[in-house]
Amino acid sequence: AQSVTQLDSQVPVFEEAPVELRCNYSSSVSVYLFWYVQYPNQGLQLLLKYLSGSTLVKGINGFEAEFNKSQTSFHLRKPSVHISDTAEYFCARARGGSRLTFGEGTQLTVNP
Amino acid sequence: DVKVTQSSRYLVKRTGEKVFLECVQDMDHENMFWYRQDPGLGLRLIYFSYDVKMKEKGDIPEGYSVSREKKERFSLILESASTNQTSMYLCASRRSGGPKAFFGQGTRLTVV
Repeated sequence: AQSVTQLDSQVPVFEEAPVELRCNYSSSVSVYLFWYVQYPNQGLQLLLKYLSGSTLVKGINGFEAEFNKSQTSFHLRKPSVHISDTAEYFCARARGGSRLTFGEGTQLTVNP
Repeated sequence: DVKVTQSSRYLVKRTGEKVFLECVQDMDHENMFWYRQDPGLGLRLIYFSYDVKMKEKGDIPEGYSVSREKKERFSLILESASTNQTSMYLCASRRSGGPKAFFGQGTRLTVV
C-alpha cells in the first residue's frame, strides 16, 4: 500500500494567490513527515519537517504545513506565492527511523 | 554542510551493459538510499542500506543490486541495463533516526 499519497499532480495558480498542496500518509505509531522542493534541473531541498510537538510547522520561503493525525494529512500551504515558487514538491515520510518514502510529486506552476 | 556526491551527472549506456552508479557522502551517515525519479511517479525507493554490508530492498529492486563495502560509499548496479531503466537516479544519505536526508544532484541515465 502506498504510504504517502499526493492528491494533485499539477497545481496551477496565479502569482500572489494562496496555495495548498495536499499530502496524506499511512498511519503509523511514530512518523516523521517532510516536504521537499525540486527546482528545474536541481536536486531536492528540504522545505520543512515534522518530527513531534507543535502540529504547525514553518519552513523556508514562507511555506508551512500542518500535521493532522486524525486525518493522516500533512498539507503544505503558502498564503501568497511567487513566480519563483514554480517547482515540483514532494511529500515524504520516514518509518522506523530509516526508510524514507516519497509521494508522487506535485508540480506547482505559478503564472503571472 | 553534508555533501552527497554522485559520480556522473549524465550517462549513456547500451542495452545489456553492466552499469555502476556511485554515491559518496562525507558525514558518516549510517543510512544511504537509491531512488529513481520518473514523471508522474515521484521518487521510488530501489534499495537502502542502514550500515556497511547491510541492505534492504525498496519498492522496485528488480533489475538492480547494491554494494556498501565502506560506510561512505553506496553503489547501485544495473547487471544488464535495459531501456526501461532510463531514468533520473538520486542518492541520499541520512543519520539513523535523524531528521533530514541529504540528496545528491542526480544521475540522468539513458539506456539505448
